[in-house]
Amino acid sequence: GQQVMQIPQYQHVQEGEDFTTYCNSSTTLSNIQWYKQRPGGHPVFLIQLVKSGEVKKQKRLTFQFGEAKKNSSLHITATQTTDVGTYFCAGRANFGNEKLTFGTGTRLTIIP
Amino acid sequence: DAGVTQSPTHLIKTRGQQVTLRCSPKSGHDTVSWYQQALGQGPQFIFQYYEEEERQRGNFPDRFSGHQFPNYSSELNVNALLLGDSALYLCASSWGTNEKLFFGSGTQLSVL
Repeated sequence: GQQVMQIPQYQHVQEGEDFTTYCNSSTTLSNIQWYKQRPGGHPVFLIQLVKSGEVKKQKRLTFQFGEAKKNSSLHITATQTTDVGTYFCAGRANFGNEKLTFGTGTRLTIIP
Repeated sequence: DAGVTQSPTHLIKTRGQQVTLRCSPKSGHDTVSWYQQALGQGPQFIFQYYEEEERQRGNFPDRFSGHQFPNYSSELNVNALLLGDSALYLCASSWGTNEKLFFGSGTQLSVL
């Protein structure tokens, strides 16, 4: 079945440093979504990417969808303490499957 | 406008028992998906309901079953509970089967 892996599993950064998490799917995706889950909370939708090579920005967050639509990345510039949480990518396979498969997640902690 | 609501928030059961979890979708949403999230892991897809039918199913045994009612609310039933069923059970609603998900706060199930 479809697998979605993320690296790194954990990332500790000093406040103000940049952060990147990478997402790789075993199958081609029709689209990819990103979610953030704060400690003790539930996943919250951040963004959806649909087109090959698409890049979207939300303030300090930059999302990319790979040309082959099998990988994606999330980059945060100048991290802040409010960025703490686990970031999940989630993808739908490209053959009409409507199941949204979540990645393994990257847990970000910020050192003040 | 109420978001996704789940009940109960916490539940303790013993092995072999049965449990029913409930979910009310966000207003205007017609699709409900259920996920199981073990501690430190990403959400695992259980199944999705649309138009009162199970549309997609993940790799979960038949002990996991569900239902969607005409008002779009949903139930997740788990029979013959195992220790390994201990997890956070998340309900997510959407408008349609391929859209972004809005998650509830989850039900924390502990099986002793």
